[in-house]
Amino acid sequence: TQLLEQSPQFLSIQEGENLTVYCNSSSVFSSLQWYRQEPGEGPVLLVTVVTGGEVKKLKRLTFQFGDARKDSSLHITAAQPGDTGLYLCAGEVSNQFYFGTGTSLTVIP
Amino acid sequence: DTAVSQTPKYLVTQMGNDKSIKCEQNLGHDTMYWYKQDSKKFLKIMFSYNNKELIINETVPNRFSPKSPDKAHLNLHINSLELGDSAVYFCASSLFWAQEDTQYFGPGTRLTVL
Repeated sequence: TQLLEQSPQFLSIQEGENLTVYCNSSSVFSSLQWYRQEPGEGPVLLVTVVTGGEVKKLKRLTFQFGDARKDSSLHITAAQPGDTGLYLCAGEVSNQFYFGTGTSLTVIP
Repeated sequence: DTAVSQTPKYLVTQMGNDKSIKCEQNLGHDTMYWYKQDSKKFLKIMFSYNNKELIINETVPNRFSPKSPDKAHLNLHINSLELGDSAVYFCASSLFWAQEDTQYFGPGTRLTVL
């Protein structure tokens, strides 16, 4: 089983602050995805990164895939209450995705 | 229109019972999955079916048996339910069994075993 550790596990910040969530593993992944899950709902895909060192931006969210394709980060600029949720990374090996331990983000108005 | 739907949304049952969770996708996808999310929000794959054929069967007790009557449906039957089976079960689908393919998740079924 491929293990992806996410940090921090819990994060509570004020509206307008910046934050970074990390997803780390000792395994190499063919691709890595980030999901956001809201209470009572299924995860929703935010982005897929494929190439080592790749950076993708989605409005105020910046995703980076590590050069060695073992880790990834998610940076949120000027967080808003609507960003509140559980953020999950998922690394892909042989067409199978292994999910990270999750980061629960709360943005306080 | 709901892309991936699951029924029931909540399931409360006694230990030892047998229960089923149904999943349907109307996206025309070839691949469907079952995931289990525990109380710590850890999401782990259980099964994956591609064109009605079992592709992945992670280390899951034999009490769990998926059935795919057609490409649009993947049901999960659980025998002799145990307390540790309490979790949220998510169904998902993707267009192909391929790299980088987007998985679309259902709303989840919260199973509570008493």
